[in-house]
Amino acid sequence: EAGVTQFPSHSVIEKGQTVTLRCDPISGHDNLYWYRRVMGKEIKFLLHFVKESKQDESGMPNNRFLAERTGGTYSTLKVQPAELEDSGVYFCASSSWTSGTADTQYFGPGTRLTVL
Amino acid sequence: EDQVTQSPEALRLQEGESSSLNCSYTVSGLRGLFWYRQDPGKGPEFLFTLYSAGEEKEKERLKATLTKKESFLHITAPKPEDSATYLCAEEGNTPLVFGKGTRLSVIA
Repeated sequence: EAGVTQFPSHSVIEKGQTVTLRCDPISGHDNLYWYRRVMGKEIKFLLHFVKESKQDESGMPNNRFLAERTGGTYSTLKVQPAELEDSGVYFCASSSWTSGTADTQYFGPGTRLTVL
Repeated sequence: EDQVTQSPEALRLQEGESSSLNCSYTVSGLRGLFWYRQDPGKGPEFLFTLYSAGEEKEKERLKATLTKKESFLHITAPKPEDSATYLCAEEGNTPLVFGKGTRLSVIA
């Protein structure tokens, strides 16, 4: 079974440019999450999709970040315009739907974003 | 705000020297406590989920335990291939809250 995949693995852009990150979850997983780790800090939650709906976007830093999950399959995270502080590693995770207990989230390899 | 604190930040062990990593959490309504392993340049790799105090889970040389405010990852007779960063995360009312991790180095 294929795991969570992310593209690109690394992106280097200039401040003010736009970047779009893509995540393909494990097939059949309804839950899709985006996280970010900036240098020296812990991994932090950005948002959560259930199928194509945004369940929780409380971790999104500002309106320069736009996440979509059309059709409830893959997801994209667009940063427009990028700022220096957006540099970091962006992780995507997915989990299947269960009720009551916490779902195990499986992570992708991450996209390292560098804003110059 | 929920918080997860891991200690030590870094740990260096000789091959075969057993030790424990600590994870303390603050969430009051814990739905799950997770342990992940992360190798350089890769994403977190799932190890264990613990749901209630007193629960224990084992996998090869690793054993995870959970109390009401802490979790421990015990490493028995580690090998160099166990070198990695070990991450703890809790899920309460919000999706995963991570600690900064413990960077483990096992020297042959």
